[in-house]
Formats: sequence, structure tokens, C-alpha cells
Amino acid sequence: DAGITQSPRHKVTETGTPVTLRCHQTENHRYMYWYRQDPGHGLRLIHYSYGVKDTDKGEVSDGYSVSRSKTEDFLLTLESATSSQTSVYFCAISDSSSQETQYFGPGTRLLVL
Amino acid sequence: AQSVTQPDIHITVSEGASLELRCNYSYGATPYLFWYVQSPGQGLQLLLKYFSGDTLVQGIKGFEAEFKRSQSSFNLRKPSVHWSDAAEYFCAVGARYNTDKLIFGTGTRLQVFP
Repeated sequence: DAGITQSPRHKVTETGTPVTLRCHQTENHRYMYWYRQDPGHGLRLIHYSYGVKDTDKGEVSDGYSVSRSKTEDFLLTLESATSSQTSVYFCAISDSSSQETQYFGPGTRLLVL
Repeated sequence: AQSVTQPDIHITVSEGASLELRCNYSYGATPYLFWYVQSPGQGLQLLLKYFSGDTLVQGIKGFEAEFKRSQSSFNLRKPSVHWSDAAEYFCAVGARYNTDKLIFGTGTRLQVFP
């Protein structure tokens, strides 16, 4: 299994509070991704990174920001959480060495009350 | 528009029966195709992938998939299902050197009866 960890694994928070999710990899892969998974929608890309300090928006980026100051860490921040952001969040990594195949972390289950 | 369709939301089979999960895609470039499996409460695990070459691809856990360009399909098959195969299965399509554009289907939930 690819060395990908996510923290926290579960979080309950209140509407309006800031939340940061962390993805950590030990594979030294260039690309990192944040997805959210919701019933009936599959996985939807929030943001991705193609290198340190290089990030771009995905399909559902509104309300989210990201940062990548080191190759191994990719942070997802909800500046002011809303109930619509209740979801399961997955981090993924890929690289030319994996033929761009994306490998996924275990997920973070977030509940916004 | 680029898209992936998994027409079956939920499939139920008996243990030992054969299985086929459907995946159709719409993609302008030459596609890379993937099948992932997700067990309850777990992340996604790669089952198999097609990049080029032989259109019949073998994966882990006894699964295979066939790329049919003329039908824009990449159906997943298994000749004999085991109870441990109960999970959700996702088809995805992307393109080389365009790694941000991995598009997922909405998933098919497989239930296996003994």
C-alpha cells in the first residue's frame, strides 16, 4: 500500500468554525489531490497540487483552500465550515513513477453541525 | 463533456455467480481507465488499469476488465464472486500528462448473498 495517512480520521465541528485536514505521504510523489465523496456523486476533485507551493482548483473548490509547503504534506482548509461540507474527504497521490495512477488515503469523515 | 457512467447503482449476486459491472465513458482524448474498489469505511484500492496494448486487463482479486473503444466501455468482470467482494466499485477515466482530470463514476454497490 502507498504510504498515505490522513488526520484526523474523524471530526465533528460546528458551522462557522475553521477546519484543517492533513494528508501526509512517504512516497515522494509529485501530485497530491483532495476529493470529497458524497452519496450519488462518487468522488469529486476539490483541489490538487503539482508540486510544492503549486496548486490548482478542481471541480468543487468553493469554500476550500489548500497549501503545500513540503512535498509530503498537503493541507485542506475549510475557512468557515458549513453543513454542506459534511462529507468524507480523501487524499490521493500520483507520480510519473506510478504512471499517473492515483493512490488513495484512508479518508477523513467530517460532520459539520 | 467528459463523463463516466456506471448505470447500475446497486447489484446483488449470489456467491459463486459471475459478475459484470458496467462502465461507459465519454472522453475526447485517448483514455486511461481505472477500476477502484472501496470496502465499507475504507479508502479506494486500485483493482486494475488500462493504459494501452491488450484490451483485456487482469487485476487483483481475480477481476478483469475489457476496453472496448467502439462501445466506449470498460466493464469489470469476475467469473465467480466471493462474499468478500461485497463493496462499492468505482470506474474512473483520465489521460496521461493530465493527472488532474481523473473523472469518477458514481459507483456501483455490490451485495453478495451466500
